[in-house]
Amino acid sequence: GAVVSQHPSRVICKSGTSVKIECRSLDFQATTMFWYRQFPKQSLMLMATSNEGSKATYEQGVEKDKFLINHASLTLSTLTVTSAHPEDSSFYICSAHGTSGGETDTQYFGPGTRLTVL
Amino acid sequence: GEDVEQSLFLSVREGDSSVINCTYTDSSSTYLYWYKQEPGAGLQLLTYIFSNMDMKQDQRLTVLLNKKDKHLSLRIADTQTGESAIYFCAASDSWGKLQFGAGTQVVVTP
Repeated sequence: GAVVSQHPSRVICKSGTSVKIECRSLDFQATTMFWYRQFPKQSLMLMATSNEGSKATYEQGVEKDKFLINHASLTLSTLTVTSAHPEDSSFYICSAHGTSGGETDTQYFGPGTRLTVL
Repeated sequence: GEDVEQSLFLSVREGDSSVINCTYTDSSSTYLYWYKQEPGAGLQLLTYIFSNMDMKQDQRLTVLLNKKDKHLSLRIADTQTGESAIYFCAASDSWGKLQFGAGTQVVVTP
């Protein structure tokens, strides 16, 4: 099946710093990538839809100036949490929408990035 | 918008079948998915079903879809202890945007 990687897997940072998370589709091209946030013992909350070569579409309530998304190529999207605060601590998961190995067009998820802001 | 609901907890004995249920509200959902999440990990796609199908079998996994009632279920035959995890159902719209249920915690006891 398709592989989506995220880097880093864990990051601890001080309040006020910015953190960049990368999401890569390793063996397929993804015109659309999605960024989710997951709080402990809760479901995934869609933050934004990232389309290659265009601006991301943010869900209601998600601050676009705080969560900067760049989809530079068909295999890479980045999420930058700017001026992070402790309430931004969460598990961030990306997914890439594409077709791999004959499977139907679907979403493949990355392993997630655990962000802890001190 | 789409609302997806599923039961929060299921306990099953090793070797028995697990059945996880899910309901959704948007009848125009094109694909319905089941994902598995182990602690501290991302989501693993288990299986999916297209909305014009009513059943799909994939080895020990059986997905049933009742489109009229907007009800989806996942049956795992011969459940193993290593399959204890959270199982999410999700419905997608025509743009590929997913709406997830809250997840069902499945605990498999020896």
